[in-house]
Amino acid sequence: DTGVSQDPRHKITKRGQNVTFRCDPISEHNRLYWYRQTLGQGPEFLTYFQNEAQLEKSRLLSDRFSAERPKGSFSTLEIQRTEQGDSAMYLCASSLADSRASGYTFGSGTRLTVV
Amino acid sequence: SQQGEEDPQALSIQEGENATMNCSYKTSINNLQWYRQNSGRGLVHLILIRSNEREKHSGRLRVTLDTSKKSSSLLITASRAADTASYFCATDARNTDKLIFGTGTRLQVFP
Repeated sequence: DTGVSQDPRHKITKRGQNVTFRCDPISEHNRLYWYRQTLGQGPEFLTYFQNEAQLEKSRLLSDRFSAERPKGSFSTLEIQRTEQGDSAMYLCASSLADSRASGYTFGSGTRLTVV
Repeated sequence: SQQGEEDPQALSIQEGENATMNCSYKTSINNLQWYRQNSGRGLVHLILIRSNEREKHSGRLRVTLDTSKKSSSLLITASRAADTASYFCATDARNTDKLIFGTGTRLQVFP
């Protein structure tokens, strides 16, 4: 297990298309987080899972966004009817339930460009 | 929403100098963490300091936490060109189970 993997690394899509990103966390980590980061800003929280349960969603996550974590392993983040404002880096992170001890491990991100 | 604000927004220094970055936050916390991000990549966890700790060291990193002022500082001693990156503080607020990140400090270390 070499860390958190995200796929694809880059995605260019036309406005109005749907896109799906995948995240494979560290296998022992039961928490998985999605963040969005725009240029020059810090990561903004989108949602997180503990095992397969989605425990919190940000108000940033509009109805066009949906995330799943079937079987508590990998996770997918889908954006429907993409808009230019969705262009950003989408970061996935995982941690043990008590992240107070060790922090998060981040993937390298998926950079989305909506044209 | 951003919980923390880093200061300065950008910092340029020569190799061998020390770099100090500050972070202020708004609500009570369980812990505060610092992360580094190289351009276009994911974040790397550097150090975690709990709310009942005042100072912590890890290699060339020194972190302080002042909960009365809701602020933290990250000191990188004897900086190297490889330290060039953005640095973010993140807080684990007591009423949430997620990290909230600040706006970051962009550090440039010139050889």
